[in-house]
Amino acid sequence: QVQLQESGPGLVKPSETLSLICTVSGDSISRYSWSWIRQPPGKGLEWIGYMYFRGSTDFNPSLKSRVTISVDASKNQLSLRLSSVTAADTAVYYCAKATSGKTYYDASSGYLHTFYFDSWGPGTLVTVSS
Amino acid sequence: EIVLTQSPDTLSLSPGQRATLSCRASQSVDSNYLAWYQQKPGQAPRLLIYGASRRATGIPDRFSGSGSGTDFTLTISRLEPEDFAVYCCQQYGTSPLTFGGGTKVEIK
Repeated sequence: QVQLQESGPGLVKPSETLSLICTVSGDSISRYSWSWIRQPPGKGLEWIGYMYFRGSTDFNPSLKSRVTISVDASKNQLSLRLSSVTAADTAVYYCAKATSGKTYYDASSGYLHTFYFDSWGPGTLVTVSS
Repeated sequence: EIVLTQSPDTLSLSPGQRATLSCRASQSVDSNYLAWYQQKPGQAPRLLIYGASRRATGIPDRFSGSGSGTDFTLTISRLEPEDFAVYCCQQYGTSPLTFGGGTKVEIK
């Protein structure tokens, strides 16, 4: 059973870049696909993006221009970078292990994958404020 | 983008009662790629159901999922004290992956 733990600054200034790390233990990060998901206080869950185990990524169109997701296999870590943050980015950020639903071809994006999430980190609250 | 609408917003029930939660999609969810999660205050979501009706590992059989196309249901046959929580659905039939707003099951 893999375990996940998010870490990073709890406070980020507006217009700066939010950077988080998810450390995976219990198995090799390279064996699975991963996602970042966030939840603003008192609101529902929002999918941010995924890193497929073979290295491809996809992002929520609402965030795509500002998001980077990467993996450091040597450290068994997943990272998230979200640029130009505003107060609307204040949320609990979760990393999650992603189990494949389906793979399909999209004419504009290429091959895409879908997932449900069977293991989650405890989450980390990031507040955007000056 | 597929929008998932859950109802009711809040369900007030007593332990031992049956809970029926609805998740309606704005368009058909391909191959019933729908999951349900339970979330307690201050905790991460926990996967309950995937593929609309398949229980995740370790989930008690009082939890069951059903439905297809645009209408899905999570049923808790007899509520235990630990079942009072927020439940949300998620579709993974197409990108972007989307979640419903959640249904809170509270003690009456």
